[in-house]
Amino acid sequence: GNSVTQMEGPVTLSEEAFLTINCTYTATGYPSLFWYVQYPGEGLQLLLKATKADDKGSNKGFEATYRKETTSFHLEKGSVQVSDSAVYFCALSDNTGNQFYFGTGTSLTVIP
Amino acid sequence: GAGVSQSPRYKVAKRGQDVALRCDPISGHVSLFWYQQALGQGPEFLTYFQNEAQLDKSGLPSDRFFAERPEGSVSTLKIQRTQQEDSAVYLCASSSRDLSYNSPLHFGNGTRLTVT
Repeated sequence: GNSVTQMEGPVTLSEEAFLTINCTYTATGYPSLFWYVQYPGEGLQLLLKATKADDKGSNKGFEATYRKETTSFHLEKGSVQVSDSAVYFCALSDNTGNQFYFGTGTSLTVIP
Repeated sequence: GAGVSQSPRYKVAKRGQDVALRCDPISGHVSLFWYQQALGQGPEFLTYFQNEAQLDKSGLPSDRFFAERPEGSVSTLKIQRTQQEDSAVYLCASSSRDLSYNSPLHFGNGTRLTVT
C-alpha cells in the first residue's frame, strides 16, 4: 500500500540555521510528492511538489528532490526564518490523483 | 471565492447530536476531498467526490458519517449521533484534476469539532 513516513518533531532551530525534515514513502506505481505547510490557525497550504523521479520542487527558499532510488523527498532550507515556524506535512498522491496520503507532520519552531 | 471555504469554523456538539459541516470548493474544481485531522496527526482520508459522484468513501469511520455533493459544487459532511472520538478538525480540499493527475490539493481552514 501507499504510505508516508516523516521525521518526528518537534524541531527547534535558531534563525538562519539549516533545516532538513526527512520524508520517505512507500508507493505502488509512480506517485507525485508534495510538501504542505500549516501555519497556526490556518489550513494546509501547498509548499512545493515534484511529479517524477529526480524532479526538484522549490518555493520560498525550500527545496526537495524526488529520489526514487531511496524513496525519499527530504525538505531542506538553507537559512530558516522565524516566519517559517509551522507544521510541515509530506504527502504523496497515487497515479490516479484520487488518493493523497499524508505523514504525521513535523512541527518547526524557529527562535530569533 | 478565491479559496476553499468551510463553515462553521468551530462547532461544539453534545454527545448524540447531529452536525453538518459545509465546504465551498474553489470554483470549477472537479475533485473534492474530506479529511479528518486529529490533534498532532496528519490528515486522514474520509471520502472523495468527482463532480457530484462520490467515488470513494472507504475512509468514513462508521455509518454515522455521510457526505454529499448533490450539484457537484458545495459539499456537506454530516455526522449523526456524535461521539467523543469524533472530535477533530475536518478538512475539505479541492483539486482541478488536470490531465496529468498530479494537481495539488487546495485546503480550507477546517472545522474544529468538539464533542462534549
